[in-house]
Amino acid sequence: AIRMTQSPSSFSASTGDRVTITCRASQGISSYLAWYQQKPGKAPKLLIYAASTLQSGVPSRFSGSGSGTDFTLTISCLQSEDFATYYCQQYYSYPRTFGQGTKLEIK
Amino acid sequence: QVQLVQSGAEVKKPGSSVKVSCKASGGTFSSYAISWVRQAPGQGLEWMGGIIPIFGTANYAQKFQGRVTITADESTSTAYMELSSLRSEDTAVYYCASTMVRGVINWFDPWGQGTLVTVSS
Repeated sequence: AIRMTQSPSSFSASTGDRVTITCRASQGISSYLAWYQQKPGKAPKLLIYAASTLQSGVPSRFSGSGSGTDFTLTISCLQSEDFATYYCQQYYSYPRTFGQGTKLEIK
Repeated sequence: QVQLVQSGAEVKKPGSSVKVSCKASGGTFSSYAISWVRQAPGQGLEWMGGIIPIFGTANYAQKFQGRVTITADESTSTAYMELSSLRSEDTAVYYCASTMVRGVINWFDPWGQGTLVTVSS
């Protein structure tokens, strides 16, 4: 199985900050990567697929980049509603696997 | 717009089985994959397997092979996930999620609301 490793596992930031979350795959996955946002008690929400394609309805302050093994999710100007846990997920091979999550907290 | 609605919370004894349903509405059910993803308390997301109803066969994560069965009933637009030989470590929220690209299991959107399964003696 492809292992997905996110960094950091958690961190604190302030509203208005620019933040970047990294996801590394244990082997190359081309651009077969998605990003999700999850808030407590809620189902995950798709933000980005194909590494950099913004899902319809997702604010443009979210962006994704990368290919191969290294990927990033960037939030250009943090809003209060962005404090949540973020997951990456590969769909290059089976089983589909997720990163362990990055919890973004308010500083 | 496709919506997924799951069955309610379950409490099960160790060694028993649970079957969770996921009913789709608002779209074409047969061509789009339904996957099951679970999340133990305070933990991350774990893909268990998925099915493309029009193909009928499911793909399972090896970790759950032999214990999980995913099926789909096209006549009612409902997918099911049955997990057997339950143990306490199976206590989790179980989500169904669709891939709105025909014939593949890729990214997941939309998601059901989740079903809490508690395994306790």
